[in-house]
Amino acid sequence: EAQVTQNPRYLITVTGKKLTVTCSQNMNHEYMSWYRQDPGLGLRQIYYSMNVEVTDKGDVPEGYKVSRKEKRNFPLILESPSPNQTSLYFCASTPLGSGNTEAFFGQGTRLTVV
Amino acid sequence: AQSVTQPDIHITVSEGASLELRCNYSYGATPYLFWYVQSPGQGLQLLLKYFSGDTLVQGIKGFEAEFKRSQSSFNLRKPSVHWSDAAEYFCAVGMDSNYQLIWGAGTKLIIKP
Repeated sequence: EAQVTQNPRYLITVTGKKLTVTCSQNMNHEYMSWYRQDPGLGLRQIYYSMNVEVTDKGDVPEGYKVSRKEKRNFPLILESPSPNQTSLYFCASTPLGSGNTEAFFGQGTRLTVV
Repeated sequence: AQSVTQPDIHITVSEGASLELRCNYSYGATPYLFWYVQSPGQGLQLLLKYFSGDTLVQGIKGFEAEFKRSQSSFNLRKPSVHWSDAAEYFCAVGMDSNYQLIWGAGTKLIIKP
């Protein structure tokens, strides 16, 4: 089954404790991205990757890191989480091609930083 | 700058009534337009999309949307809602230049019995 898998689904952590949220897709998509969803703000892009070893900042990259060592995986790293990073996070993958920007989403990771 | 506006934060409709959710966008080029639905505690599911061609597009679950270039709108409609349609609906614009999606703030749909 074609899917984007995020882990964990729920995470509670303390300020400053490094964490990684994993994302994996089995559709051989070139493009992957991370979004955060906050009430009243919709989804905002954190980072994206056009292909292996190619990453770039989205609209809200501060406090986050990503890597793309393999095509299927795109982990999101919070080196020193803070309470303002409490949010619902979504990973998405998109096949590159003319006019096709349909994104396929993971189930989301609800992160609470206390 | 590109933006998407969903003017209604909440909409309440009776089961069986018709529905229209509004979406306006600001984008210089021909947009790629999407509607996604998020059920409580769930991820995002694509309802329908517009890339080109017929401006009235049909989606899943009986939804349709109409692209009106003159009004910069892409409103979502359904002739008769069901209780299972209660969810949050997001409109998004896709940018061909970097494949980023710009999202509206969402509209929460509440269904009255």
